[in-house]
Amino acid sequence: SQQGEEDPQALSIQEGENATMNCSYKTSINNLQWYRQNSGRGLVHLILIRSNEREKHSGRLRVTLDTSKKSSSLLITASRAADTASYFCATKNTNAGKSTFGDGTTLTVKP
Amino acid sequence: DTGVSQNPRHKITKRGQNVTFRCDPISEHNRLYWYRQTLGQGPEFLTYFQNEAQLEKSRLLSDRFSAERPKGSFSTLEIQRTEQGDSAMYLCASSHTNENYGYTFGSGTRLTVV
Repeated sequence: SQQGEEDPQALSIQEGENATMNCSYKTSINNLQWYRQNSGRGLVHLILIRSNEREKHSGRLRVTLDTSKKSSSLLITASRAADTASYFCATKNTNAGKSTFGDGTTLTVKP
Repeated sequence: DTGVSQNPRHKITKRGQNVTFRCDPISEHNRLYWYRQTLGQGPEFLTYFQNEAQLEKSRLLSDRFSAERPKGSFSTLEIQRTEQGDSAMYLCASSHTNENYGYTFGSGTRLTVV
């Protein structure tokens, strides 16, 4: 079974609005990563947050991590049509060599 | 370095045939991962290598699947006696050993078993 679960499964917003996606996980983690995937393509790494970090920014992206609630959120500010994609969280468990992915949030940004 | 390269991009094969996919990772990355992804799902872990050593293999992977990374550079994933359920996108990724970096994925190989 997948470690992370994203919420919502699908999100549709207007250009210029903010988009927030959430990820919950079950076991202790070393880090949590967010990826974007355009249809039919590979995944692109967006941002990694370590277990001892609470918030991280990269351009229009803001990621938070709450290890007590075992959850993370990805905020995309001032969304653009080009942000339309699926977004996945992946967790790297403390004792595992690989990262485990959730089933993603599909974001549609309408122009 | 142009990133992670996967070949072929698409493969259509008849049920029962064997197929082999290739992945060329970023040269400085010593970890290489294979994942499988079906429509509407997230990537599902198959196996990973550190240099030439295969360190973990998913229990979901049947004996029909085998992967190699003979010289710690490129990797191949072979599926023997393909079944329709093997139809999926097969993704390769590479990374540093340093866990403060994420993965770099290739564009994937889409397998269709007819």
